[in-house]
Amino acid sequence: SAVISQKPSRDICQRGTSLTIQCQVDSQVTMMFWYRQQPGQSLTLIATANQGSEATYESGFVIDKFPISRPNLTFSTLTVSNMSPEDSSIYLCSVIRATSYEQYFGPGTRLTVT
Amino acid sequence: AQSVTQLDSHVSVSEGTPVLLRCNYSSSYSPSLFWYVQHPNKGLQLLLKYTSAATLVKGINGFEAEFKKSETSFHLTKPSAHMSDAAEYFCVVSERNAGNNRKLIWGLGTSLAVNP
Repeated sequence: SAVISQKPSRDICQRGTSLTIQCQVDSQVTMMFWYRQQPGQSLTLIATANQGSEATYESGFVIDKFPISRPNLTFSTLTVSNMSPEDSSIYLCSVIRATSYEQYFGPGTRLTVT
Repeated sequence: AQSVTQLDSHVSVSEGTPVLLRCNYSSSYSPSLFWYVQHPNKGLQLLLKYTSAATLVKGINGFEAEFKKSETSFHLTKPSAHMSDAAEYFCVVSERNAGNNRKLIWGLGTSLAVNP
């Protein structure tokens, strides 16, 4: 398995501000992802975080709104920019190891925008 | 493109009775399939996975799933439900995206309630 930590675990933010979420993994992994899970819904992939290059965004998500960094194999950040109440959600970091099909998830960051 | 459909949004069973959570998928090639569980206010946990080995896959907590290619199904079962099984269950299929990176396609989830 992989141990994944996220900071902060939750936050309440005002409209128009930005929040950066950190994801730290206990060992090197090949792939890191950021997901969003809105209340009562399934997971939606935001982007794949690529080490040393720009993230690969899914349809409906853009870099200006969700800038992502991945400076090394064990760390990534997701920023939710210019927040609105519609951004209230749980944001999840996820990783896949090189030798496994298994995907592991962090505990999530519960964001509320007022 | 691959997709996954969970046929029931809510399932309610009595404790001690069998559980069946249904999942169908569409895929242009041999897929990898997973079931994840999410307990209230807790993180996602992998229950089991199918990656082209045995078609009957056994997972944690007594759950198992059978890959049926002819029916494009991957239903999750458990012989006897326990109160602690109450949770949200997600069926997931893997695919390659435009960058040839593997990503998971998630079903909408099935909420399992277990009645005493």
